[in-house]
Amino acid sequence: RKEVEQDPGPFNVPEGATVAFNCTYSNSASQSFFWYRQDCRKEPKLLMSVYSSGNEDGRFTAQLNRASQYISLLIRDSKLSDSATYLCVVNVNRDDKIIFGKGTRLHILP
Amino acid sequence: EPEVTQTPSHQVTQMGQEVILRCVPISNHLYFYWYRQILGQKVEFLVSFYNNEISEKSEIFDDQFSVERPDGSNFTLKIRSTKLEDSAMYFCASRAGLAPLHFGNGTRLTVT
Repeated sequence: RKEVEQDPGPFNVPEGATVAFNCTYSNSASQSFFWYRQDCRKEPKLLMSVYSSGNEDGRFTAQLNRASQYISLLIRDSKLSDSATYLCVVNVNRDDKIIFGKGTRLHILP
Repeated sequence: EPEVTQTPSHQVTQMGQEVILRCVPISNHLYFYWYRQILGQKVEFLVSFYNNEISEKSEIFDDQFSVERPDGSNFTLKIRSTKLEDSAMYFCASRAGLAPLHFGNGTRLTVT
């Protein structure tokens, strides 16, 4: 099983729709979880951290299920500017190995 | 807002040459990282650095690669004897404690 796995993309959704991304991780000792977005040929930028109780930031909701080793990101009322690649990021052990998933590309269609 | 800075933004080198990619992490951060991203592919972990030594490295980070923090501000990645397949975007990142990573804008390395 890969250390961090994400849904294959791309996702093509109409503006205003709700879209969900899923991610699984293999190491049960993983401590920290994040969602990043990456625009074409740019650096990854933090979208939000993922907390055990789940957390929300505006249109974005992140969930963590430690038992299933699963993380999700929900985007509501999607905007054209949400088009990007979404990266699941996991600190896979107690040390400093922070691993990125392959990313899921999202295209919001007008 | 403080940011991670990387230089140069683009480096072109001939196969077999050595390159040094430079990074200035955020000043109060203690953990430093290098990642690479081959065009169209995933962001790959290379190495992490803490307390003046490598704390983790991937199988990609072989003897061809080395990192150094020569002074209190710079963090460098050296690639000896570059190969064509080293062509990629190299990202430096830093963080404080368990906080998220902050990335620089990257250096695009082209090996010809």
